[in-house]
Amino acid sequence: GAGVSQSPSNKVTEKGKDVELRCDPISGHTALYWYRQRLGQGLEFLIYFQGNSAPDKSGLPSDRFSAERTGESVSTLTIQRTQQEDSAVYLCASSVRTGWNTEAFFGQGTRLTVV
Amino acid sequence: KQEVTQIPAALSVPEGENLVLNCSFTDSAIYNLQWFRQDPGKGLTSLLLIQSSQREQTSGRLNASLDKSSGRSTLYIAASQPGDSATYLCAVSVNQAGTALIFGKGTTLSVSS
Repeated sequence: GAGVSQSPSNKVTEKGKDVELRCDPISGHTALYWYRQRLGQGLEFLIYFQGNSAPDKSGLPSDRFSAERTGESVSTLTIQRTQQEDSAVYLCASSVRTGWNTEAFFGQGTRLTVV
Repeated sequence: KQEVTQIPAALSVPEGENLVLNCSFTDSAIYNLQWFRQDPGKGLTSLLLIQSSQREQTSGRLNASLDKSSGRSTLYIAASQPGDSATYLCAVSVNQAGTALIFGKGTTLSVSS
């Protein structure tokens, strides 16, 4: 596609429910990143994929968070048993590859509200 | 631990003014620095990428400089316009694989007509 696409754009869920957030990276981009941005805060790194593997899971805030990527394409970020503090905008980015000179391109984000 | 700071947090200027946004980082061992723009309710748009070996990059009315040794970058916006109103974020790539961009909290710019 022309850019990074995320769905849904907005999600309201009840506390305790599971949610899945989807990211379609730019075609041909092997690196994919997930970030979280809470209201009034900076971007918080969650996880990145190189191909289908995730060498760096250090940013996932708890074991309720998981992510997978299939076919070096679509990625899904899953949050189980959502809590109110999970409310944030979840941003996905992709780049041609990981590397020192590669530019990251971001999607429009999914705004998650846990009520 | 790498930390990125952006000053000021907010800035209001009249249309036509030239302005400078500041970004500083604590660990000079970066591999690149990227400036982004974020409009309300939207994702991030990449503006400029400066590799660690470079001193500056230019795109239109935007000029970004990098002084890696002192841990500083500036984004210069010439002849500001109301359409420039947005939050500007800088981010550094902290390892050779570029695995994670570490972001500042941004400077929110408001340009009045």
